[in-house]
Order: sequence, then structure tokens, then C-alpha cells
Amino acid sequence: KAGVTQTPRYLIKTRGQQVTLSCSPISGHRSVSWYQQTPGQGLQFLFEYFSETQRNKGNFPGRFSGRQFSNSRSEMNVSTLELGDSALYLCASSLRTGSSYEQYFGPGTRLTVT
Amino acid sequence: DAKTTQPTSMDCAEGRAANLPCNHSTISGNEYVYWYRQIHSQGPQYIIHGLKNNETNEMASLIITEDRKSSTLILPHATLRDTAVYYCIVIRDRAAGNKLTFGGGTRVLVKP
Repeated sequence: KAGVTQTPRYLIKTRGQQVTLSCSPISGHRSVSWYQQTPGQGLQFLFEYFSETQRNKGNFPGRFSGRQFSNSRSEMNVSTLELGDSALYLCASSLRTGSSYEQYFGPGTRLTVT
Repeated sequence: DAKTTQPTSMDCAEGRAANLPCNHSTISGNEYVYWYRQIHSQGPQYIIHGLKNNETNEMASLIITEDRKSSTLILPHATLRDTAVYYCIVIRDRAAGNKLTFGGGTRVLVKP
């Protein structure tokens, strides 16, 4: 079974631009969560989508948004990029939401904002 | 969710067992202990989880103390590929969504 895939793997953007990241979950998984990882803050939860609905949201500004499609693929968008948005963005999929099922992470997209 | 405390780093000899401690003294009755690891330049990888009984799978064993205030992840025969940052976290099973938060973790270096 193929794992979680994320595209692109690396991205360089300038301040003020916007960016869209893509995540394809493991086949059959309906929950997709997004995380931001930085050396200083560790792993922080952004939001989770299940069956095309946002189920939970972390403490990030409205510049961070996402969506999920009917095939469970998900995208996240960051508008008006700031230098502090430079991070590894991870996507994780799981069978269901709100359960003890383990999440499977993708390799991440490393975003650099200059 | 309860806070966890882990050593910053530890070394382990290849082929030997690696015992990774985690303190979670404020854990409550409905909270699970989860372990993940992150190999350099990869996403986190689920290892194992448990509530109060010891657990074992093909990757590792999880030993939870009777009072549940601490646990130990055991990698029975460490290999060089086990070099990674290991995260111990405590979450409620029925929490809304699957949000995870990792702190610093333990940086494990397996040496030949």
C-alpha cells in the first residue's frame, strides 16, 4: 500500500506571496491532518479534515487555510507569506477521526520564505 | 493533554537494547501514551501506544508503570537505522480530531 505523499517536497517563496501544498493520504484513509514543524516550536497542529469537513483547528492565523476533496486528497494554502512561515509542513492521514488509530505521516514539504 | 519529559539525547550500541524513558506524572485515566520517531529528513513514524498494559509490536515494546506516571520504550536490538528523534506524547483517545503536539523528544544515536 502506498504511503502518504506530499508535493512539492521543497519550495522557496518570497514574503507576501501565497503557496499551496498538496497531500494524498493512504488509500482508504479519510482523515487528513496538517502540521507545521520548526526547530524552535516543534510540531504544531494546523487543522484536520475528515470527509471534506474541517473537524479541528489549531492556533494559527487565518492566512493558513485548507480543504479536502471527495477523494480525500487535501491541500493547504498560506497567503501573504512571512519569514516565520519557513518550516517543514507535514501531512498525516488516518482511518478515522477522534480515535486511537495511529497517524501516518508523509515526508513533508520544506518551505523557505525569503 | 498531559505534559511529558524525556532526556534530550542518548547513545546506544548497535545490536543492544535501547531503553528510552518518558515521564508523564500528570497523566489522567483516559489518556494514552504514544511513541513516534522521526528520522532525519522524514516525517514522524508511529511506533506504538498503550493505556496501562505493556504492549509489544514488531518495532518495539512499551512498558508502562503501574501508576502510569512513566513509561519506557524498548528497541530490542538497535540498528543504525534506528538513529532518530523519539517522541513520547500523551493524548486522549477520544479527543476531537487527531491533533498531535511534539516537544523536544530524545535524540537517539545508535553507534556501530
